[in-house]
Amino acid sequence: KAGVTQTPRYLIKTRGQQVTLSCSPISGHRSVSWYQQTPGQGLQFLFEYFSETQRNKGNFPGRFSGRQFSNSRSEMNVSTLELGDSALYLCASSLGLAGGSNEQFFGPGTRLTVL
Amino acid sequence: GQSLEQPSEVTAVEGAIVQINCTYQTSGFYGLSWYQQHDGGAPTFLSYNALDGLEETGRFSSFLSRSDSYGYLLLQELQMKDSASYFCAVRATGFQKLVFGTGTRLLVSP
Repeated sequence: KAGVTQTPRYLIKTRGQQVTLSCSPISGHRSVSWYQQTPGQGLQFLFEYFSETQRNKGNFPGRFSGRQFSNSRSEMNVSTLELGDSALYLCASSLGLAGGSNEQFFGPGTRLTVL
Repeated sequence: GQSLEQPSEVTAVEGAIVQINCTYQTSGFYGLSWYQQHDGGAPTFLSYNALDGLEETGRFSSFLSRSDSYGYLLLQELQMKDSASYFCAVRATGFQKLVFGTGTRLLVSP
């Protein structure tokens, strides 16, 4: 069974630009969550999608958005990039809503660098 | 809101036993999970506790006390490959989202 895939793996952008990251969950998984990971801040929850609906949202500005398609693939978009957006963006999928007995499977992440 | 506290770093030697603690504050509680992340790698699921007590999976065990809002991950017979960051995570019934602690970096030395 293929794992969670994320594209691209590395990305370099400049301030003010926008970026779209993609995540393909494990086949059959309906929940996709996105996290931002930075040194010292740990894993910060961005949002969670289930059956094409955003179920939960973290404390991030409106520049961060996402969506989920009917095949459960998900994209997240960051507009008007800031230097502080440089981070590892992780996507995780699970059969049901994340947490509890629903194990999350993480992708390798997209390393975004904003110059 | 929700908050989780973990020690930032723990060191131990090969063959030893180490305990990583996690205390949490939530307005509701659904369960406590643990994840392992090696440098440059993705987090991987280790264990989940919904009820009080100890769950054992090989060399790793996880404990939960709901009354104390406290849990721990116990690693036995430490190996060099156990050097990694360990995160606890909770899903609160009211908030519905999975929240991770800031992680504990475990360094295992020969």
